[in-house]
Amino acid sequence: AQSVTQLGSHVSVSEGALVLLRCNYSSSVPPYLFWYVQYPNQGLQLLLKYTTGATLVKGINGFEAEFKKSETSFHLTKPSAHMSDAAEYFCAVTGPAGTALIFGKGTTLSVSS
Amino acid sequence: DAGVIQSPRHEVTEMGQEVTLRCKPISGHDYLFWYRQTMMRGLELLIYFNNNVPIDDSGMPEDRFSAKMPNASFSTLKIQPSEPRDSAVYFCASSPGTSGPNEQFFGPGTRLTVL
Repeated sequence: AQSVTQLGSHVSVSEGALVLLRCNYSSSVPPYLFWYVQYPNQGLQLLLKYTTGATLVKGINGFEAEFKKSETSFHLTKPSAHMSDAAEYFCAVTGPAGTALIFGKGTTLSVSS
Repeated sequence: DAGVIQSPRHEVTEMGQEVTLRCKPISGHDYLFWYRQTMMRGLELLIYFNNNVPIDDSGMPEDRFSAKMPNASFSTLKIQPSEPRDSAVYFCASSPGTSGPNEQFFGPGTRLTVL
């Protein structure tokens, strides 16, 4: 069975600081991993995804994530936070095409000036 | 290109009333998902369809909830009778369901308040 754990329900950073949002997964099959972002009063938007191949995945808005099989992790990073990055971030895992996403509980990112 | 369309965006109703939420997936997508989001429970998958057929409804909370997909361009989620604990944001998402990983595209959600 697949599951996702996001460490830290709330992360606060200063503008310009490194953003690190943690995600660990459990999967009985080779995982496909996703990060979604949700801005206030909006639906979820895909940031990036890992399927196969290169373990460092680049997404929109300067975010990237690295798939580490040995650590069962898929942490999300951004070198320099911007005020507009304040949102809720969800890590998700799925199996082969056609199966549902399993979401983590989400991490709220706050960015202060 | 219109994304996933949900209506209404906001719904306020009284306990005991029937509520119907609507979703139009992205054209050509084979999969449709209904999720519920609350502060307490986060994002929960309620049910999903493949080619208009329900595949997994194990997340539907109870018999008061029902979902249909009469055709490839329309789905409904109905709650009858509604209860205050049903208050949440309900999201619809669709996926192309190709052989690759199933990226899901989310609608803006329906915020339901049951008084």
